[in-house]
Amino acid sequence: GEDVEQSLFLSVREGDSSVINCTYTDSSSTYLYWYKQEPGAGLQLLTYIFSNMDMKQDQRLTVLLNKKDKHLSLRIADTQTGDSAIYFCAGGATNKLIFGTGTLLAVQP
Amino acid sequence: KAGVTQTPRYLIKTRGQQVTLSCSPISGHRSVSWYQQTPGQGLQFLFEYFSETQRNKGNFPGRFSGRQFSNSRSEMNVSTLELGDSALYLCASSLGGEGYGYTFGSGTRLTVV
Repeated sequence: GEDVEQSLFLSVREGDSSVINCTYTDSSSTYLYWYKQEPGAGLQLLTYIFSNMDMKQDQRLTVLLNKKDKHLSLRIADTQTGDSAIYFCAGGATNKLIFGTGTLLAVQP
Repeated sequence: KAGVTQTPRYLIKTRGQQVTLSCSPISGHRSVSWYQQTPGQGLQFLFEYFSETQRNKGNFPGRFSGRQFSNSRSEMNVSTLELGDSALYLCASSLGGEGYGYTFGSGTRLTVV
């Protein structure tokens, strides 16, 4: 079945780059998304990439997609304390999203 | 432009009761989907509606149901509540589904006691 895996935790220092990784099993996803969730809040869409693209850059965010390995990554440049949150990758398929387990990003000042 | 509005924000119910949650999508969005978020199971898809028709349904028991009105507002209902139904219920709206992006509301925190 469909499955999306992420590492559980990532700790970085303020100003460093963060790289959050995601692997998925279902290659039928047309779009792949990254969402951010802060404590007590809903999900905020950060960016998404069409499955026939390899890379997408959006200000401090860079998404890389390796279709052969079914691997997706989100790079956050110049990470700030305000970036501390849980990050979810998700595959879009048949009018629904399949979410990963989420990665808690902790940014140390 | 108003975002996705979910009401109520918090709810406490007793086991065996039923509950109705409401979601008002972004104006012009015709797709509304619902997700359940729990610490143990993560984010799981419940169902998706487009123009009042359910297009997709997740793997949840029949106690979970939903509907969408002609103004695109949606409700989900959970009957005969169980302790395990305690969760954050998130609603997402979209112009038409994947490819258009999904915007989420802040969620309804349901606690079953």
